[in-house]
Amino acid sequence: KNEVEQSPQNLTAQEGEFITINCSYSVGISALHWLQQHPGGGIVSLFMLSSGKKKHGRLIATINIQEKHSSLHITASHPRDSAVYICAVRAAGNKLTFGGGTRVLVKP
Amino acid sequence: DSGVTQTPKHLITATGQRVTLRCSPRSGDLSVYWYQQSLDQGLQFLIQYYNGEERAKGNILERFSAQQFPDLHSELNLSSLELGDSALYFCASSPRTGLWEDTQYFGPGTRLTVL
Repeated sequence: KNEVEQSPQNLTAQEGEFITINCSYSVGISALHWLQQHPGGGIVSLFMLSSGKKKHGRLIATINIQEKHSSLHITASHPRDSAVYICAVRAAGNKLTFGGGTRVLVKP
Repeated sequence: DSGVTQTPKHLITATGQRVTLRCSPRSGDLSVYWYQQSLDQGLQFLIQYYNGEERAKGNILERFSAQQFPDLHSELNLSSLELGDSALYFCASSPRTGLWEDTQYFGPGTRLTVL
């Protein structure tokens, strides 16, 4: 079992729909990051979380340290949100582990 | 544009060869990270340098090495290349020293194909 699991692996939504991507991890962590990888390959860091909730525009990220779970929500999804979303955790001993990614397609 | 530059954009080489990938961080960033993204392994952290010194090591093979120069640019050297080394190699930079302590700014990547 991977230390970081993302679900779903693939997601298709209609423009305007609310999207949720989940990330579960099995180790104690000091921080969790959400990344967005565009179809062209470029990677953008979206959020860094160690507790609670963060919001940026239509994106919301939450983390529950006790349940070892984080979610990334996209409200009012748009075709430009089509990308692969990757969560990554920083664990003890400076270990950095990435999830396998969730491929999101938003149709107009 | 993240402000991080990587060269070359594409690289095609043969097994057994050695290549060097280059990264220039964002102005003012002292930390440089290297990552490998392959189809079967996904994204993997290789190594971090801060102000010229190695700070953290991930899944970097012994055939791979990196360094960060006084002007803060970094190079990743890959030697005795194998077919399985074919991947996208990303560099990222951030201002602080701690591993993933703050936002990472990613470069556009170098696509390496080993034939």
